[in-house]
Amino acid sequence: QKEVEQNSGPLSVPEGAIASLNCTYSDRVSQSFFWYRQYSGKSPELIMSIYSNGDKEDGRFTAQLNKASQYVSLLIRDSQPSDSATYLCAVSKRNGAGGTSYGKLTFGQGTILTVHP
Amino acid sequence: IAGITQAPTSQILAAGRRMTLRCTQDMRHNAMYWYRQDLGLGLRLIHYSNTAGTTGKGEVPDGYSVSRANTDDFPLTLASAVPSQTSVYFCASSPTAAQPYEQYFGPGTRLTVT
Repeated sequence: QKEVEQNSGPLSVPEGAIASLNCTYSDRVSQSFFWYRQYSGKSPELIMSIYSNGDKEDGRFTAQLNKASQYVSLLIRDSQPSDSATYLCAVSKRNGAGGTSYGKLTFGQGTILTVHP
Repeated sequence: IAGITQAPTSQILAAGRRMTLRCTQDMRHNAMYWYRQDLGLGLRLIHYSNTAGTTGKGEVPDGYSVSRANTDDFPLTLASAVPSQTSVYFCASSPTAAQPYEQYFGPGTRLTVT
């Protein structure tokens, strides 16, 4: 089982619709959860972070976290063609112990979203 | 403009050559990271640095080395490049090495080893 799994996609939605992106993770000690957006040929851009159960809204984006179900999602309301990109779910935890420990981000494979006019 | 810069943007390198990818950040972030991104394999951590003067190995460190002489710079060196190191390399930084571990990425270097 992969540590972080995303719905494989690609996901295609019409302009103005709600895009729903899903992610599950296997490690219960995961501490923080992030969504990155990556346009083709560009670097990942942090768009949402969520640390506790429930919903977190930022503009057209809503992140949802359910630690009991080990599930995190991203909703994009009023989707625009400019939202077309690959969305990466990332889960963090402390890796290792003592002087060699570090904050580890584990990324899913990404979901390609296309918003068509 | 605050952020992370990487150089070069792209490079074609002959196998066996030595290459250093540069990464500089001006956000005074303590932690820095190097990733490679390959189709089908996603983002994989090569090396990390929690603070200036310290470095550590990530998931795929073989063939790579790093140094962290100061807060701003975190160069990645390929001592003797091989074709399997063809990839897109991203440098990232985080304000601290403590939670929540959010990371911010540079624009990347596309490296082709022939």
